[in-house]
Amino acid sequence: KAGVTQTPRYLIKTRGQQVTLSCSPISGHRSVSWYQQTPGQGLQFLFEYFSETQRNKGNFPGRFSGRQFSNSRSEMNVSTLELGDSALYLCASSLGLTSGPPNTGELFFGEGSRLTVL
Amino acid sequence: DAKTTQPNSMESNEEEPVHLPCNHSTISGTDYIHWYRQLPSQGPEYVIHGLTSNVNNRMASLAIAEDRKSSTLILHRATLRDAAVYYCILRDREGGGADGLTFGKGTHLIIQP
Repeated sequence: KAGVTQTPRYLIKTRGQQVTLSCSPISGHRSVSWYQQTPGQGLQFLFEYFSETQRNKGNFPGRFSGRQFSNSRSEMNVSTLELGDSALYLCASSLGLTSGPPNTGELFFGEGSRLTVL
Repeated sequence: DAKTTQPNSMESNEEEPVHLPCNHSTISGTDYIHWYRQLPSQGPEYVIHGLTSNVNNRMASLAIAEDRKSSTLILHRATLRDAAVYYCILRDREGGGADGLTFGKGTHLIIQP
């Protein structure tokens, strides 16, 4: 089956601009989570959406936002870009079930969107 | 979330077994132990997970200490393709299904041909 698709794969922006990244989860998966990866901070959790609702949020400023559509596709937006926002942004999808063996669901990651802020 | 401690890097030879340790002394009774790995220029991928008993799958084995304060990921016969950063992660099963993972720094596994 098709994996998690993230677009665009690479992009360059300048400080102060805003950017929108897209993630298409695996068919049937209802949970999409987003992560930021930088050499200094490693992989950090941004937020998670399930059935169009944000269920969990990491410790990032309000400039980072996201949403999920009825088809489970998700977008994340970063406004007023700063140099420190340069990173690989990864999206992961999972079934996101809250019943059955809880929280044992495997996450499937995309290849990421590499953002460079100049 | 309870924290995990892993060595920064490990080196092994191709076709030899690799034992990647993880300490999680503050693990709670409801925490599952998950392992993910990240190959160069790729997103992380799931390797294995367990709660109390040792687990095996096609990729690896997970050995969990009796007191659950440590675990070891075992690659039975490492190949060059196994060179990656390996992350040991605890997931609280009472987390309501909200699928956010807390990654540490992981172990950078180097495989020598």
